[in-house]
Amino acid sequence: QKEVEQNSGPLSVPEGAIASLNCTYSDRGSQSFFWYRQYSGKSPELIMFIYSNGDKEDGRFTAQLNKASQYVSLLIRDSQPSDSATYLCAVNTDFGNEKLTFGTGTRLTIIP
Amino acid sequence: EPEVTQTPSHQVTQMGQEVILRCVPISNHLYFYWYRQILGQKVEFLVSFYNNEISEKSEIFDDQFSVERPDGSNFTLKIRSTKLEDSAMYFCASSAGLATNTGELFFGEGSRLTVL
Repeated sequence: QKEVEQNSGPLSVPEGAIASLNCTYSDRGSQSFFWYRQYSGKSPELIMFIYSNGDKEDGRFTAQLNKASQYVSLLIRDSQPSDSATYLCAVNTDFGNEKLTFGTGTRLTIIP
Repeated sequence: EPEVTQTPSHQVTQMGQEVILRCVPISNHLYFYWYRQILGQKVEFLVSFYNNEISEKSEIFDDQFSVERPDGSNFTLKIRSTKLEDSAMYFCASSAGLATNTGELFFGEGSRLTVL
């Protein structure tokens, strides 16, 4: 069973601080990694994706991938109350197809 | 901004009834997907569809489920005989290319199915 694991939270972070969200995956052959944001009752919205080891930055967001440790993280700098949501880690575990395996998500609350 | 649209937003049905959930993907997209999310649980892949055929399906997508692209715009998910455990939010998604290469997977707002 190919698993994607996240701490369900809730994770509370003061406004303006850095929020750090973590995800581990079981399939060493996983190819691509995605972070989605999901507001309550809404659909997932892509924040970032990463394929290669290292860091990828986009505005206030940085994704970090370590394939040796089977670990992917998302950093949110200068956290805003509007960042309060559930963050879903998703992994493409099968090369050549389109199936994404999602984690259960981490609920993030930014405290004003 | 182009978006994936889904209807109905909420459907209540009796166990054993057939349900059709409809989706209009983004117009120039070629890959189509259905995912579902049971309340409080993770988003689960059901099926992917490309070039008028299923390209991948999960173990959830059994004989009770089917997908169709009846015309150039709609993409439907049919559940033949609904069970209580089919109650979930069903998300349609589409992408222009292989989403796992481009990262560009766009989700609709979902159709909430309640089976009584």
